[in-house]
Amino acid sequence: EVQLVETGGGLIQPGGSLRLSCAASGFTVSSNYMTWVRQAPGEGLEWVSVIYGESTTFYADSVKGRFTISRDNSKNTLHLQMDSLRAEDTAVYYCARNIAGAGMVFDIWGQGTLVTVSS
Amino acid sequence: DIQMTQSPSSLSASVGDRVTITCRASQGIRNYLAWYQQKPGKVPNLLVYGASTLQSGVPSRFSGSGSGTAFTLTISSLQPEDVATYYCQKYDSVPYTFGPGTKVDIK
Repeated sequence: EVQLVETGGGLIQPGGSLRLSCAASGFTVSSNYMTWVRQAPGEGLEWVSVIYGESTTFYADSVKGRFTISRDNSKNTLHLQMDSLRAEDTAVYYCARNIAGAGMVFDIWGQGTLVTVSS
Repeated sequence: DIQMTQSPSSLSASVGDRVTITCRASQGIRNYLAWYQQKPGKVPNLLVYGASTLQSGVPSRFSGSGSGTAFTLTISSLQPEDVATYYCQKYDSVPYTFGPGTKVDIK
């Protein structure tokens, strides 16, 4: 079964760091475009970051320089290292996989992990 | 960056009604437009990509159209299970911006 499972969310103080993980099964993360999308409480969807190919990465301006996306191919896992966290980073973070050959559209999503940035 | 807008922000319609949601891009994005459905408390679900290609398994009452800067998602006959928020997403280039969403409920 094709599946994504996120872990690593929690309560963190402003300025702190957190590392999210997204374990994939049923497919290989290195063969797909993998992305992170977040959703603040009661708000809409916000694209955060993408990784594909050897290690091509892109970030939304709101997280550039603070977040780092990466893959561990040996563990078939996607990561999001989040540093210098702010209150406005509070959100459910989803990892998602693109449809091969269709561009950056996402057919498989994880269940999400909640990150709360608060003192 | 290209901005995405959606209208209306919410709508209420009767079961069986035809419902149309509009998404506009501030610049042309060819047909690199996707639509997602997010039911309350659930994960987003891909409905349409390439502006008009229905994702496998999506009911045929859903359809998408448009190109360039104006796009529509149509539900030909609204069903109770279609209560959700619908988002458009551009994917011609980074950032892969989502629209603000359109909340659909039953009258």
